[in-house]
Amino acid sequence: DAKTTQPNSMESNEEEPVHLPCNHSTISGTDYIHWYRQLPSQGPEYVIHGLTSNVNNRMASLAIAEDRKSSTLILHRATLRDAAVYYCILGGGGYQKVTFGTGTKLQVIP
Amino acid sequence: DGGITQSPKYLFRKEGQNVTLSCEQNLNHDAMYWYRQDPGQGLRLIYYSQIVNDFQKGDIAEGYSVSREKKESFPLTVTSAQKNPTAFYLCASSFRGSSGANVLTFGAGSRLTVL
Repeated sequence: DAKTTQPNSMESNEEEPVHLPCNHSTISGTDYIHWYRQLPSQGPEYVIHGLTSNVNNRMASLAIAEDRKSSTLILHRATLRDAAVYYCILGGGGYQKVTFGTGTKLQVIP
Repeated sequence: DGGITQSPKYLFRKEGQNVTLSCEQNLNHDAMYWYRQDPGQGLRLIYYSQIVNDFQKGDIAEGYSVSREKKESFPLTVTSAQKNPTAFYLCASSFRGSSGANVLTFGAGSRLTVL
């Protein structure tokens, strides 16, 4: 299974942009890059995904390196409600085994 | 509203007892998954099912069993063979979006405590 590497924790000030990095040097050509986040005592929720091009949605932006060996989740204005554990995972297009790492715990400082 | 329902939310069990956690989805998703999460840790895959009447072991299947008799349902049994079953259990289902990617939707989780 292709693996991802994320920092254990990050801090951000409220209303400032946050860039959450993810390294995935063994990514295969068919792997999508997915981001999920988990608030305390809740199930994870989908944030965004992409394959090669940068992606934007109402929650966040995903910037993918040209060689696809790394990506960055961008929260444009962090709020206290964005404090969560963010998981970067890889997955192919089929219903395959989907594994999660330990993620990055984001703390947002008022 | 469509979604995934896990029950019970909290469950207490005595050592040596089997317990079954329910997971039902009305999203018409093909695939379903069970994960375990220990305090301060990430999610570990127990079992997953891509289609009715078929399922595969994940990374930590020992001491667990599942069935997939209906598309909507994927119950997990925690058997007495599981040495340390106290954990937060999460069920998910997935569909392939318009882009072809496999996107997961999670339930709210079931917290199992062994006394």
